Amino acid sequence: DAGVIQSPRHEVTEMGQEVTLRCKPISGHNSLFWYRQTMMRGLELLIYFNNNVPIDDSGMPEDRFSAKMPNASFSTLKIQPSEPRDSAVYFCASSLGLRAVGELFFGEGSRLTVL
Amino acid sequence: AQKVTQAQTEISVVEKEDVTLDCVYETRDTTYYLFWYKQPPSGELVFLIRRNSFDEQNEISGRYSWNFQKSTSSFNFTITASQVVDSAVYFCAFRMDSSYKLIFGSGTRLLVRP
Repeated sequence: DAGVIQSPRHEVTEMGQEVTLRCKPISGHNSLFWYRQTMMRGLELLIYFNNNVPIDDSGMPEDRFSAKMPNASFSTLKIQPSEPRDSAVYFCASSLGLRAVGELFFGEGSRLTVL
Repeated sequence: AQKVTQAQTEISVVEKEDVTLDCVYETRDTTYYLFWYKQPPSGELVFLIRRNSFDEQNEISGRYSWNFQKSTSSFNFTITASQVVDSAVYFCAFRMDSSYKLIFGSGTRLLVRP
């Protein structure tokens, strides 16, 4: 079975540009998470969806960040406008169940560099 | 508040040595889950193990073993006869039973030298 699929794997952009990161969760999983990893702050939860509905977006840094999940098989994380401090690896993860009793399955990450 | 501490930032061993990665957690909850994830140089996070707070049995999977001790709030991970392919960053994580949030430690970078 295919795992969590993220695109793009690498993105280099200039400050002020819009960035869209994409995620396809594992089929049948109904919980989706977006995490950000930086050297300074480690792994941080940005937003969590359950059954396509955003449950908790308290980790989203600011209004420049937005996330959507229009259906069970697709989610996007958008940054507009991007800033150099947004440079990080962004991970999407999915799991079966609201409480994620089972393990989280992570994608390979999208490495974002904002110049 | 819940917290996960991985005090070892970086460990370097020679192949075939045994190595233990420490993880200490803080919580007042009685029901919770502990996890270990591996992040190899390729970057993805790979799930290794999940334990719940009511199961203190140690677990062994091949060269990997885990020691869960509630008395010391620790969930340590031992790799026996380490191999170069074990080189990675290892994360310990915690989740309350009543929450969906996985709280990660800062990670331990393990370098296994040939």
